[in-house]
Amino acid sequence: AQKVTQAQTEISVVEKEDVTLDCVYETRDTTYYLFWYKQPPSGELVFLIRRNSFDEQNEISGRYSWNFQKSTSSFNFTITASQVVDSAVYFCALSEGGGSYIPTFGRGTSLIVHP
Amino acid sequence: EPEVTQTPSHQVTQMGQEVILRCVPISNHLYFYWYRQILGQKVEFLVSFYNNEISEKSEIFDDQFSVERPDGSNFTLKIRSTKLEDSAMYFCASRVPGQGHTEAFFGQGTRLTVV
Repeated sequence: AQKVTQAQTEISVVEKEDVTLDCVYETRDTTYYLFWYKQPPSGELVFLIRRNSFDEQNEISGRYSWNFQKSTSSFNFTITASQVVDSAVYFCALSEGGGSYIPTFGRGTSLIVHP
Repeated sequence: EPEVTQTPSHQVTQMGQEVILRCVPISNHLYFYWYRQILGQKVEFLVSFYNNEISEKSEIFDDQFSVERPDGSNFTLKIRSTKLEDSAMYFCASRVPGQGHTEAFFGQGTRLTVV
């Protein structure tokens, strides 16, 4: 069984604030992959990052950074100096090592960045 | 940049009618998926398709649903007799095989409204 929990339903910040979106996952597999997707108001799903279970190195891409910690089964996403254009729903997803690699999504966190 | 293309972007249909949602996956991708997202809710897996057959399906994907890859480029989702609760955004996704879990790329979605 696999499960992705995004406990934060909605986060509201003011522009330029840093914000962290939490993702906690459950899996029995030792090989698995984690993803973050962004869904802007226009509705499409935009891939942001993929991380495999053997690579705990944190990653930074511009204002985005990801903190993967196997010890706490978390894969958190931080946006530094948030901007209004960051307003979107952000989904964390998990796919396991066996089977047809089906990504299972969390319920998403709606981020609202106010000017 | 290659992308997954879905048509139509929005479809309105009467309850009981059949609908076909169309997708053109990225050309070198071999795994195909359909997901749906009821307004404001999580992105739910429907079905995965590989090597011209369904590889996995969720409990949502009942006998009313079918998928097909009729001509080697299109990937379709058919709902035989639509119900009001089928109203949702439907996403097609594809991914390239190999080297573990490559990320799935999603189309823009088709918003289905059943009236």
